Amino acid sequence: DQQVKQNSPSLSVQEGRISILNCDYTNSMFDYFLWYKKYPAEGPTFLISISSIKDKNEDGRFTVFLNKSAKHLSLHIVPSQPGDSAVYFCAAAKAAGNKLTFGGGTRVLVKP
Amino acid sequence: ETGVTQSPTHLIKTRGQQVTLRCSSQSGHNTVSWYQQALGQGPQFIFQYYREEENGRGNFPPRFSGLQFPNYSSELNVNALELDDSALYLCASSLEASWETQYFGPGTRLLVL
Repeated sequence: DQQVKQNSPSLSVQEGRISILNCDYTNSMFDYFLWYKKYPAEGPTFLISISSIKDKNEDGRFTVFLNKSAKHLSLHIVPSQPGDSAVYFCAAAKAAGNKLTFGGGTRVLVKP
Repeated sequence: ETGVTQSPTHLIKTRGQQVTLRCSSQSGHNTVSWYQQALGQGPQFIFQYYREEENGRGNFPPRFSGLQFPNYSSELNVNALELDDSALYLCASSLEASWETQYFGPGTRLLVL
């Protein structure tokens, strides 16, 4: 039972353009959502998060949008840079819990 | 300030054997979580240790067990290895189980033949 899904396994975008990564979840108990970036041979690194009381959170080039009614979140990267090429995971958690549930990841390639 | 380190980086075992993976948490962190990442999938939560006590467990059988030591380093033990246990095992340390302070190690890649 995949509670967090990233339906696009890969995304290719031109440098300078916007990258949009999508994530859907099924468990309405999830209250907190995070995005991680992973380079080969490294562990995931935390990128940005959003709690369910917000619908948008911005940090520099990264913005996360949350649509609770649709159980959908997205990560926007603008402008995209070659160094953004990595695998991106969305993850969700219940506010009172300690377990992160990850999606399957989206591999992003930013072409110069 | 040292990061999260894991050892070994790679290892190969045969079915039925037992394995111990190790994780040194980031300085000052008192919480360690372990994840299994199968090829092409996202990390799956195995369990978390907070101040040497298990603080939550994912959907993994009892042959997956762990320990956290007084210095907050941790071990993951897997008994009776199965082929499906082949994966990247990630540990992550954090302060007071906070996700934003959670830093992942590079992982241990386990191959079970």
